[in-house]
Amino acid sequence: NAGVMQNPRHLVRRRGQEARLRCSPMKGHSHVYWYRQLPEEGLKFMVYLQKENIIDESGMPKERFSAEFPKEGPSILRIQQVVRGDSAAYFCASSPQQGYYGYTFGSGTRLTVV
Amino acid sequence: QQQVKQSPQSLIVQKGGISIINCAYENTAFDYFPWYQQFPGKGPALLIAIRPDVSEKKEGRFTISFNKSAKQFSLHIMDSQPGDSATYFCAASEPPNSGGSNYKLTFGKGTLLTVNP
Repeated sequence: NAGVMQNPRHLVRRRGQEARLRCSPMKGHSHVYWYRQLPEEGLKFMVYLQKENIIDESGMPKERFSAEFPKEGPSILRIQQVVRGDSAAYFCASSPQQGYYGYTFGSGTRLTVV
Repeated sequence: QQQVKQSPQSLIVQKGGISIINCAYENTAFDYFPWYQQFPGKGPALLIAIRPDVSEKKEGRFTISFNKSAKQFSLHIMDSQPGDSATYFCAASEPPNSGGSNYKLTFGKGTLLTVNP
């Protein structure tokens, strides 16, 4: 039973490019959460999604960031026109029901903006 | 404003020793306090968690001590082993009935623990 799969593991983008981060939840999990870990910081909540619905995006920056979790396929976190300050580790977690009790985190995507 | 303050930033312990990591919080509405363990290149994994109605919880070599009046909680790792070397995060959450949620965690900055053989 595969865990939460995130890809790519490492992503390098030039300033102004787009970054697409993918997260496939564990089998049977329909709740997905994205967190961002800036250098020497703790993880910070970004967004919570269920299939085809954004439940809570209170932690998402107002511009350039978007997330989706389509009916079929992985959840996508999209960052447009990346800047150096977007360099961070982005973690996805999934759970079978709403709530952190069932959180399983993926290994993360390390984004580097050059 | 950092809602959960974690210390120390890094910690070196000899094999067999006790590792102690501390966290302090401001928000008295927090009612769930988990600790996560993260190995290099991996995602955080839940280690142990406590609610404020108990002062201590023990699971194997790992113990959480909770001091509600001081708004502090700590992780103790007894008989520390080289395999315990990892980054440890404390976290906290506010219940839905006080403006929080049952799905959003606030994390500390992490402690890098190194256990020397």
